[in-house]
Amino acid sequence: AQSVSQHNHHVILSEAASLELGCNYSYGGTVNLFWYVQYPGQHLQLLLKYFSGDPLVKGIKGFEAEFIKSKFSFNLRKPSVQWSDTAEYFCAVNNYGQNFVFGPGTRLSVLP
Amino acid sequence: EAQVTQNPRYLITVTGKKLTVTCSQNMNHEYMSWYRQDPGLGLRQIYYSMNVEVTDKGDVPEGYKVSRKEKRNFPLILESPSPNQTSLYFCASSSRASGYNEQFFGPGTRLTVL
Repeated sequence: AQSVSQHNHHVILSEAASLELGCNYSYGGTVNLFWYVQYPGQHLQLLLKYFSGDPLVKGIKGFEAEFIKSKFSFNLRKPSVQWSDTAEYFCAVNNYGQNFVFGPGTRLSVLP
Repeated sequence: EAQVTQNPRYLITVTGKKLTVTCSQNMNHEYMSWYRQDPGLGLRQIYYSMNVEVTDKGDVPEGYKVSRKEKRNFPLILESPSPNQTSLYFCASSSRASGYNEQFFGPGTRLTVL
C-alpha cells in the first residue's frame, strides 16, 4: 500500500522567511502528486498538482513544488512566507486510480 | 456557485445511535469520496464512488456505510457509532474529465460520539 510521509509536524517561521516542506511517498510507479492547504476552520484547497512534464510546478499564492522521481519526493517551497500562510499543509498521492493517500500534514505558523 | 455541501457541520451523539451525514455536489461530478481527518494521521479515505450505484472501500471503511443512488448525493451512514469514530469528516468530489484527480472538498463535519 502507498504511504506518504511529511518531514515536519509543525514549522514556525517569521514573516519573509523561506519555506520548504518535505514530502515523500512510497509508491514506485507513475503517480500524481498534490499539495493541499487547510486554513484554520476551513476546508482543504488545492495549492498545486503534478501529473507529468516539468517537475517544477507552480501553484497559487506563490507556492511551488519540485518532483524528484529518484528521491520519491515532492517538496513544497515558497521564497517568502506571509502571516496569512499560517495553515496546515497536506501532501497527497494518487496513482491514476481512485484511492487518494494523504500525508499526516504539516502545521505552519508564521509569526508577524 | 460550484460547491460541495455537507450537513450537519457539527454533531454530538451517543454510542449506538444511528446517524447520517449528507454530502451533495452541484458540479455533476462522477466521483465522490469520504475522508476522516484525525490529528497526526492526515486524511484517510473511508469510501469512494465512481458513479451512481458504484461504491468501493477506501483505507478505513469499518463501521461506515455509504450509498450513491443519485449522482449529486453521497451520504455517509454510521449504523452504530462508537467513540473512536469521533473525527472531522470531509466529503470530496471530482470529475472524469479531470481524470478524477482534482478534488473539491466540502466544509467538513465535526462528529463527537460520547
